[in-house]
Amino acid sequence: GESVGLHLPTLSVQEGDNSIINCAYSNSASDYFIWYKQESGKGPQFIIDIRSNMDKRQGQRVTVLLNKTVKHLSLQIAATQPGDSAVYFCAENGDTDKLIFGTGTRLQVFP
Amino acid sequence: KAGVTQTPRYLIKTRGQQVTLSCSPISGHRSVSWYQQTPGQGLQFLFEYFSETQRNKGNFPGRFSGRQFSNSRSEMNVSTLELGDSALYLCASSLEPGADYGYTFGSGTRLTVV
Repeated sequence: GESVGLHLPTLSVQEGDNSIINCAYSNSASDYFIWYKQESGKGPQFIIDIRSNMDKRQGQRVTVLLNKTVKHLSLQIAATQPGDSAVYFCAENGDTDKLIFGTGTRLQVFP
Repeated sequence: KAGVTQTPRYLIKTRGQQVTLSCSPISGHRSVSWYQQTPGQGLQFLFEYFSETQRNKGNFPGRFSGRQFSNSRSEMNVSTLELGDSALYLCASSLEPGADYGYTFGSGTRLTVV
């Protein structure tokens, strides 16, 4: 796509399977985290967020898990569909009062 | 309600020229942030505006500037364009400033410098 990196890590999953996308965040001071989905030709779209006083939050077909001990965030997508194919970014608020984005993971869903 | 609107969607400029990009936030959103997205650097923060004031700035040269109007619409300007400025420029709006609220992004302006 026109707006994503050429050398992103890629996760390939079969339609109907569950997907898990991982993210290691950098700043132990971060207390707010967001997952974004970016489809080709579009801007990032908000999926789900979580604050540091929680370790799990669920949305529709998505779950975000936060492990503050190892500074790790994951996004789980249940029953992955072709429309889920996109690049997924995690973002953290750090201590600079601006969102800092990870490098992204490309999710490819095949039939 | 309407989302974040960025214009133009595509732009081709020549090295040395200058360019102005526009962003209209979601109605009621008072904060506007700008990001540059490139394959090599990913999403890099440019600046944030709130109440017509630049509240936060990323590590970009002074050729990159912006402003916000009283209706919260924002523009960013890049002067003396370089080839490396080719990127997708994304605008995001939020109700309040800072990074503790979800940002809503526009579709971006694809700038190509030749």
